[in-house]
Amino acid sequence: QLQLRESGPGLVKPSETLSLTCTVSGGSISTSSYYWVWIRQPPGRELEWMGTIYYTGDTYYKSSLKSRVTFSVDTSKNQFSLKLNSVTAADTAIYYCARRSGRHHFDYWGQGTLVTVSS
Amino acid sequence: EIVLTQSPGTLSLSPGERATLSCRASQSVSSSYLAWYQQKLGQAPRVLIYDASSRATGIPDRFSGSGSGTDFTLTISRLEPEDFAVYYCQQYGNSPLTFGGGTKVEIK
Repeated sequence: QLQLRESGPGLVKPSETLSLTCTVSGGSISTSSYYWVWIRQPPGRELEWMGTIYYTGDTYYKSSLKSRVTFSVDTSKNQFSLKLNSVTAADTAIYYCARRSGRHHFDYWGQGTLVTVSS
Repeated sequence: EIVLTQSPGTLSLSPGERATLSCRASQSVSSSYLAWYQQKLGQAPRVLIYDASSRATGIPDRFSGSGSGTDFTLTISRLEPEDFAVYYCQQYGNSPLTFGGGTKVEIK
């Protein structure tokens, strides 16, 4: 059974960089046809797709975040990562990593991790 | 960007009743690339329906999806106690991928 787990600091100061890692177990991140995504959900609000990465390192970012976000992948560790710089309180959210299936919907999700931006 | 508008915002029903949730897109969703997710408090979303009408693995047949173009519907034929949750639609036919604002199904 595929499992994803997010890890990283739960508290980040304004103007600093938010860094999270998603560790995939029970399957290879390098399997063709599958893409890996980051999604976030501010408290009490709807979900927001942030972007997608393939195991080759190809990335697709939401345009409104493109200037601040960087995804990377480490196939040797079966992990992919998110960096979001110059954070503000508006970046406070639960951050989820997920897998985009061969049919393009999100079929496996991590449990999510709350990141609070506050001094 | 395709904006997905879900209605109603809240649906108050009793167990055993039928739930009908709507998702309307601001423009046509390519290839009916629309999914429905269920989210319970404190949990990650779980996919119920993809490609507008295909049930995901392990999803009971009381959940069904329909629609195309700009109008989509999720139907729960008979509500079970575990079905009270928030439901989101999501389109993956056009970038950016977008989600609707959600419909909360609560116990009446």
